[in-house]
Amino acid sequence: DAGVTQSPTHLIKTRGQQVTLRCSPKSGHDTVSWYQQALGQGPQFIFQYYEEEERQRGNFPDRFSGHQFPNYSSELNVNALLLGDSALYLCASSWTGRAQFFGPGTRLTVL
Amino acid sequence: AQKITQTQPGMFVQEKEAVTLDCTYDTSDPSYGLFWYKQPSSGEMIFLIYQGSYDQQNATEGRYSLNFQKARKSANLVISASQLGDSAMYFCAMREGENAGNMLTFGGGTRLMVKP
Repeated sequence: DAGVTQSPTHLIKTRGQQVTLRCSPKSGHDTVSWYQQALGQGPQFIFQYYEEEERQRGNFPDRFSGHQFPNYSSELNVNALLLGDSALYLCASSWTGRAQFFGPGTRLTVL
Repeated sequence: AQKITQTQPGMFVQEKEAVTLDCTYDTSDPSYGLFWYKQPSSGEMIFLIYQGSYDQQNATEGRYSLNFQKARKSANLVISASQLGDSAMYFCAMREGENAGNMLTFGGGTRLMVKP
């Protein structure tokens, strides 16, 4: 049973560029959430997708957007990258079970 | 106000001994869930244990147990018989409401170091 997968593993971008991160949920899961984890901090919730719609959103600007596809996979897009967007981006999936299961993350570096 | 507070930035424990990692939370929602995740240096968040607000008994999963004191709003993680592989960051998190996909709010984490 494949767990949550994310791609790419690492990414280096420059300020002002745009980036797309991808996530495939655990088999049987229909809800995907994205989190940003800055160095030395706990993860911060960005948004959640269910039935191809954004259902919840954390305190992140509109530069952060997402999408969920019919197969439940999801993308996170960040426009006009800032140095402060450098972080580990974690995707988590869930169903009606109790826990959210996380992927290995994408480490984004903005230069 | 912080919703999840972990007051121990770092802790040492001797191999084979037990250790308790502290977590306090704040919510007015009667329905909530409390989670502990382990994050090794590789970065992946590994789910360890869950406690629901209506659960009568403390949760246990192998060497992990959750000391849930609802009136004190604490949800401490107890790791028994520590192993070298337990060295990692540990995060306490809370979900408000019953939907499994609801956002998780994380604490700042505790770095556990197991000494041989």
